[in-house]
Amino acid sequence: GAGVSQSPSNKVTEKGKDVELRCDPISGHTALYWYRQSLGQGLEFLIYFQGNSAPDKSGLPSDRFSAERTGGSVSTLTIQRTQQEDSAVYLCASSLTSGGAETQYFGPGTRLLVL
Amino acid sequence: RKEVEQDPGPFNVPEGATVAFNCTYSNSASQSFFWYRQDCRKEPKLLMSVYSSGNEDGRFTAQLNRASQYISLLIRDSKLSDSATYLCVVYRNQAGTALIFGKGTTLSVSS
Repeated sequence: GAGVSQSPSNKVTEKGKDVELRCDPISGHTALYWYRQSLGQGLEFLIYFQGNSAPDKSGLPSDRFSAERTGGSVSTLTIQRTQQEDSAVYLCASSLTSGGAETQYFGPGTRLLVL
Repeated sequence: RKEVEQDPGPFNVPEGATVAFNCTYSNSASQSFFWYRQDCRKEPKLLMSVYSSGNEDGRFTAQLNRASQYISLLIRDSKLSDSATYLCVVYRNQAGTALIFGKGTTLSVSS
């Protein structure tokens, strides 16, 4: 079956511009996560959605970052007024439920470069 | 101090070698443990979960020592295709429900 998909694969933008990154989770998966992986760094948790519950935004680095999940499926991560330090690979993952032992399936990521 | 610490490597080994990776975690409330594998410029994929009793999957053996807050991964009879970065991953419910990743240990297997 289809895995997690993300778009665009690559995004180059200028400092100060807004960007939107999209994630399509695996069909039927109720939990969706966004992570960021900077060069030489581990994956950093950003935000988590579970069903219709309020999202866990505890990992968002600043108020320039926000995310939505419409209809319990597709999610969009928005970065406003991008900065050069926002350059990273943004990874989306989904899991069947939100249990800690659930396998998270990752999408291929969006490589963001802020000039 | 990072919550999940790994030796970054790289580990350079010949085919057929046995190699072991270690990982320590700082929060004793951690509940579940995993090893993920990430190929160059690819997304992470679950390699195996780690159980207290230790578990094996083919050439791969994972161990957990809760008292020492230590996790290990042993790879026997290394193959060229094992070359990748191995991520030690911890889950604890107190931090929301996301996973906490180590920076990874890079393995390069050569012929």
